[in-house]
Amino acid sequence: EVLLVQSGAEVKKPGESLKISCKGSGYSFTTYWIAWVRQMPGKGLEWMGVIYPRDSDTTYSPSFQGQVVISADTSINTAYLQWSSLKSSDNAIYYCARHLREWLPHDGFDVWGPGTLVTVSA
Amino acid sequence: EIVLTQSPGTLSLSPGERATLSCRASQSVRSDYLAWYQQKPGQAPRLLIYDASNRATGIPDRFTGSGSGTDFSLTISRLEPEDSALYYCQQYGDPPGCSFGQGTKLEIK
Repeated sequence: EVLLVQSGAEVKKPGESLKISCKGSGYSFTTYWIAWVRQMPGKGLEWMGVIYPRDSDTTYSPSFQGQVVISADTSINTAYLQWSSLKSSDNAIYYCARHLREWLPHDGFDVWGPGTLVTVSA
Repeated sequence: EIVLTQSPGTLSLSPGERATLSCRASQSVRSDYLAWYQQKPGQAPRLLIYDASNRATGIPDRFTGSGSGTDFSLTISRLEPEDSALYYCQQYGDPPGCSFGQGTKLEIK
């Protein structure tokens, strides 16, 4: 079974750093692009960026460029999303999602993680 | 960046009826690279349709995607109570990334 398992909910203070994870299993982790998607409370889906784990080729949405860093560690089949200084506006659920087709950098997302809830509060 | 506008915002129908959800793009979507997702409360989105008209694995044939260029539709026939959800369209034909519509809420009365 193809799965993406995400790290657990986080509660942080403004200004703190955070790194959340997304572990893939049941497929060739290195050859499928992995995207990160934000969903703020009661709002829609926002594409943040995408990474190709094999060579760490990464593209960011202009809205998130410079705000987050996406990375991957192929030795443990895990992708990451990290912040160096959280803001209250980062309160959201963050999903990782796998591209439908191998190698394709532009694609729909057929497998989603359950989401990681990030709460930033003083 | 391609902007996707979904309509209606909310759709309220009865079991057995047919729902038609619309997604309009601000410019033509390359190669009809458009997907539809269903999201229920507390759950991650689920892929229904990709490349405008292809059903994803395990999706019943009650769900049909159509359209091209700038106008796309998702039709759900023979509505069931479990179809109550938010539905999002997504385009992935405009590099460097993709964008989502704002969603349509489908209520089954």
